[in-house]
Amino acid sequence: QVQLVESGGGVVQPGGSLRLSCAASGFTFSSYGMHWVRQAPGKGLEWVAFIRYDGSNKYYADSVKGRFTISRDNSKNTLYLQMNSLRAEDTAVYYCAKETEPTGGAFDIWGQGTMVTVSS
Amino acid sequence: DIQMTQSPSSLSASVGDRVTITCRASQGISNSLAWYQQKPGKAPKLLLYAASRLESGVPSRFSGSGSGTDYTLTISSLQPEDFATYYCQQYYSTPLYTFGQGTKLEIK
Repeated sequence: QVQLVESGGGVVQPGGSLRLSCAASGFTFSSYGMHWVRQAPGKGLEWVAFIRYDGSNKYYADSVKGRFTISRDNSKNTLYLQMNSLRAEDTAVYYCAKETEPTGGAFDIWGQGTMVTVSS
Repeated sequence: DIQMTQSPSSLSASVGDRVTITCRASQGISNSLAWYQQKPGKAPKLLLYAASRLESGVPSRFSGSGSGTDYTLTISSLQPEDFATYYCQQYYSTPLYTFGQGTKLEIK
């Protein structure tokens, strides 16, 4: 069964850090680019970050550039998002998502999401 | 960055209605357009990709069309389970993908 399972969310104070994980199963994780997408409470979807299948290229939304780092461990079939200098506006459900094709495309598999709350 | 503008932002309709949602890109995206359905508390679900290709398992009452900058999602006959929020997404400017702001489809 193809699936993604996120973990690591929680409540953190402004300025704090958190690392999210996304465990993949049921497909060849090392062949696909992976993304993080977030959704603030009551708001729409916001693309956050992308990492190439081999980890060689990474891209970030301007809103998180310099604060968040995406990484992956293909030996563990796991995607990560290291979030530093967290702000209240980073409060959201964070989803990991897989591209439909190794060369790119829409997101055919999503995790269930993990909630991050930044609050004092 | 490519901006995606969806309309309407909300829509009320009845079971059996035909519904159309529009998505406009700020520049041409060569059919690199996906539609997602999201229900409360759930992850988005891919419905269509490449503007008009139906994802496996998605009912045929969902269809997509368009080209260049303008795209539409049509639901031919609304079913109770279709009431949800719908998002378009461009994946032309890979990997800096962007989503529309969403269209909430509610029961009239």
